[in-house]
Amino acid sequence: AQSVTQLDSHVSVSEGTPVLLRCNYSSSYSPSLFWYVQHPNKGLQLLLKYTSAATLVKGINGFEAEFKKSETSFHLTKPSAHMSDAAEYFCVVSPDTGGASKLTFGTGTRLQVTL
Amino acid sequence: GAVVSQHPSWVICKSGTSVKIECRSLDFQATTMFWYRQFPKQSLMLMATSNEGSKATYEQGVEKDKFLINHASLTLSTLTVTSAHPEDSSFYICSASGRVKGEQFFGPGTRLTVL
Repeated sequence: AQSVTQLDSHVSVSEGTPVLLRCNYSSSYSPSLFWYVQHPNKGLQLLLKYTSAATLVKGINGFEAEFKKSETSFHLTKPSAHMSDAAEYFCVVSPDTGGASKLTFGTGTRLQVTL
Repeated sequence: GAVVSQHPSWVICKSGTSVKIECRSLDFQATTMFWYRQFPKQSLMLMATSNEGSKATYEQGVEKDKFLINHASLTLSTLTVTSAHPEDSSFYICSASGRVKGEQFFGPGTRLTVL
């Protein structure tokens, strides 16, 4: 069984300040973890993924996430928020390294970026 | 590369009618396609997994006679909502993965409104 918990349903930051979106996971095996972003009226886009290689994963648009097994966490960070980062973010867990198996989505975190 | 399209992007229908949604992988062969449902401000829930040329595997609680899935070719899967009712109104999203690509690529979604 696998599950993810996104601790914040809504996060608001000022442009230029750091972003932290929190995710904890539960899995009975070594999982693959992903962060997806969903902009209005657009398809889900993969930001980054962890597949048992380096624990610090760098993704697109300046985002990165660190896999911490001891804390069962995979928090998403970005040093400086941009207005275009405003969107819905999903933390996702999968038993498959390529994401070609069943994905279990978290409930999502809506990121708001203000001037 | 790795583009997945959905058609239509939105549809409004009367209660009792059937609606077909198409999901196409435009630049790769999708051996597996997934159908998700997303309620407003909620996460994506996997409905079913379909492999080309075989019957779809439905998640628990999803009525297979109501949500008909056909994956007739390596680039096309269809979801037909039969005898639609207002409670079927939702955002339906497909994803596709192929042997080479591995990762799931998501379509932009189809918003269904049943009156």
